Amino acid sequence: NAGVTQTPKFQVLKTGQSMTLQCAQDMNHEYMSWYRQDPGMGLRLIHYSVGAGITDQGEVPNGYNVSRSTTEDFPLRLLSAAPSQTSVYFCASSYSGTSGTDTQYFGPGTRLTVL
Amino acid sequence: GQQVMQIPQYQHVQEGEDFTTYCNSSTTLSNIQWYKQRPGGHPVFLIQLVKSGEVKKQKRLTFQFGEAKKNSSLHITPTQTTDVGTYFCAGPAQGGSEKLVFGKGMKLTVNP
Repeated sequence: NAGVTQTPKFQVLKTGQSMTLQCAQDMNHEYMSWYRQDPGMGLRLIHYSVGAGITDQGEVPNGYNVSRSTTEDFPLRLLSAAPSQTSVYFCASSYSGTSGTDTQYFGPGTRLTVL
Repeated sequence: GQQVMQIPQYQHVQEGEDFTTYCNSSTTLSNIQWYKQRPGGHPVFLIQLVKSGEVKKQKRLTFQFGEAKKNSSLHITPTQTTDVGTYFCAGPAQGGSEKLVFGKGMKLTVNP
């Protein structure tokens, strides 16, 4: 099993550009989520999904869209990139929809810089 | 909203010393999880505590869940250079367990 994979590993965008961060898992996990990590801020939840076709907002959803058309994939879209979105983005998955009780498996992360 | 606070945020120890970090929640938690992130890496699950007063050990690491289930601690004895990294605690968000709330993390550096 590859676990949780994320692409790209690094990305530089200009303000106003859009892009999609890819996340996939091959563990048949129901729950998937996106976090951003900024210095001194810990891990903040952006969006999450408890199963295919279901998504919901986390703590910092503004400027981001998600969709979950399959169990395996959970892409994160930046609609119009801003410098404040410069961060490291982690995708995570867990077995069931009750993430609060399940082990989270994190991907390797995407380091995004917005100029 | 619910907060999970970790103290201290940074700690520097000499290899071989003991080290303890704490995690406090503003609400009672059904469980608490600990993760470790090595420099440049991603968070990796260490352990989950569920019962009031529970203590679990992983080699040199001892994890404890408070009696009131509002705090937890991680104790390392003795520390090694391989322990460097950021340690996060996390608990279910208030009002439902679909979200996991992470603390801001505790960054540990170890002098050889």
